[in-house]
Amino acid sequence: AQKITQTQPGMFVQEKEAVTLDCTYDTSDQSYGLFWYKQPSSGEMIFLIYQGSYDEQNATEGRYSLNFQKARKSANLVISASQLGDSAMYFCAMREGRRGGSYIPTFGRGTSLIVHP
Amino acid sequence: NAGVTQTPKFRVLKTGQSMTLLCAQDMNHEYMYWYRQDPGMGLRLIHYSVGEGTTAKGEVPDGYNVSRLKKQNFLLGLESAAPSQTSVYFCASWRGGNQPQHFGDGTRLSIL
Repeated sequence: AQKITQTQPGMFVQEKEAVTLDCTYDTSDQSYGLFWYKQPSSGEMIFLIYQGSYDEQNATEGRYSLNFQKARKSANLVISASQLGDSAMYFCAMREGRRGGSYIPTFGRGTSLIVHP
Repeated sequence: NAGVTQTPKFRVLKTGQSMTLLCAQDMNHEYMYWYRQDPGMGLRLIHYSVGEGTTAKGEVPDGYNVSRLKKQNFLLGLESAAPSQTSVYFCASWRGGNQPQHFGDGTRLSIL
């Protein structure tokens, strides 16, 4: 079974609108963390935002926020006021276990976001 | 401020040829990884290392070998390249915990 599921292979959004990219995860650990990365067409992987399982508030970084619903095991990325430069692949990833307990962050298959002018 | 450096950036091989991809990191990270990225498949883990002198198999290890003789370097080898190994290869290093992985810029490998 996949540990990270991104159900939207492709998404389209109008410039300046908000968009939500879905991510659900599967773990039996109490301590874990969730990451989102952006991969533009140039290919590099860019870290966007992190949410720890014990963090009481949803993470935010500028126009990026994470809608973390622990009971539903979802960690959706919200991009507010979309820009043309947001067009990219977006990957959700999870690390399980306490410090040093798990060495393999697990990635979803990604969502391709296209922002229309 | 190099971070993670992969060489080469592009390579074309013929079936049966061998080559080594080099990954170097200057952040003193213990953990290093090799992934391949294919359309619609996301990042799939080939091999990883939790420290100097250690390596372990990931999700898709067949046809690849790795070595981590020095902490800062993680080498990925293809002994006899096959067209199915045409892909983009990413190396990453990680401090662990709540820190993100740091990725190289990728190596685009084509095998004819």
